[in-house]
Amino acid sequence: EIVLTQSPATLSLSPGERATLSCRASQSVSRYLAWYQQKPGQAPRLLIYDASNRATGIPARFSGSGSGTDFTLTISSLEPEDFAVYLCQQRNDWPLSITFGQGTRLEIK
Amino acid sequence: QVQLQESGPGLVKPSETLSLTCTVSSDSIFSDYYWGWIRQPPGKGLEWIGSIYHSGITYYNPSLKSRVTISVDTVKNQFSLRLSSVTAADTALYYCARGGVGSASRWFDPWGQGTLVTVSS
Repeated sequence: EIVLTQSPATLSLSPGERATLSCRASQSVSRYLAWYQQKPGQAPRLLIYDASNRATGIPARFSGSGSGTDFTLTISSLEPEDFAVYLCQQRNDWPLSITFGQGTRLEIK
Repeated sequence: QVQLQESGPGLVKPSETLSLTCTVSSDSIFSDYYWGWIRQPPGKGLEWIGSIYHSGITYYNPSLKSRVTISVDTVKNQFSLRLSSVTAADTALYYCARGGVGSASRWFDPWGQGTLVTVSS
């Protein structure tokens, strides 16, 4: 099973600042990595897929990068509504494996 | 806009079978997507349970495979989850979602709002 490790566990920043979140895979997942945003009491929302493609309706301040084992989600200038938990997810086909990271909590400083 | 809605009992007794249904709106269960179940124990991370295609092809998380059955009802545009021999460790928020398996999408989008299932006597 591919393990995804997210860091940091908690990130404290202020609105307007830049956020950089990391997701590291225990083995290469090529570019097959997604990022989700989850707010309290809500389901996860897809932000980024295939490492760097924004999902429909996602603001341009969200960007993703990386390949292989190291991936980054960047929020260029934090808005108040961006403070949430961010999760990464991979799918590997041989053998089939779908796993999620433990999440990074982005909190207001 | 595709919407998914989970339904089922919120309380299940230990050793019994958990049963949930996901109703799909504004999309056909015949679309070229798999339909999946994911769960999130309180305070813990997300765990993929399994996924199904409208033809009945299923894929399960190996860690749960012996206890999981996912089925599809194409008439009702629904798919369902059964998890047998539950314990307190199966207490979680259960989500249904589109995608994850197959060529159409490696990712889950959209998700249902989730339903909390507690295993307790």
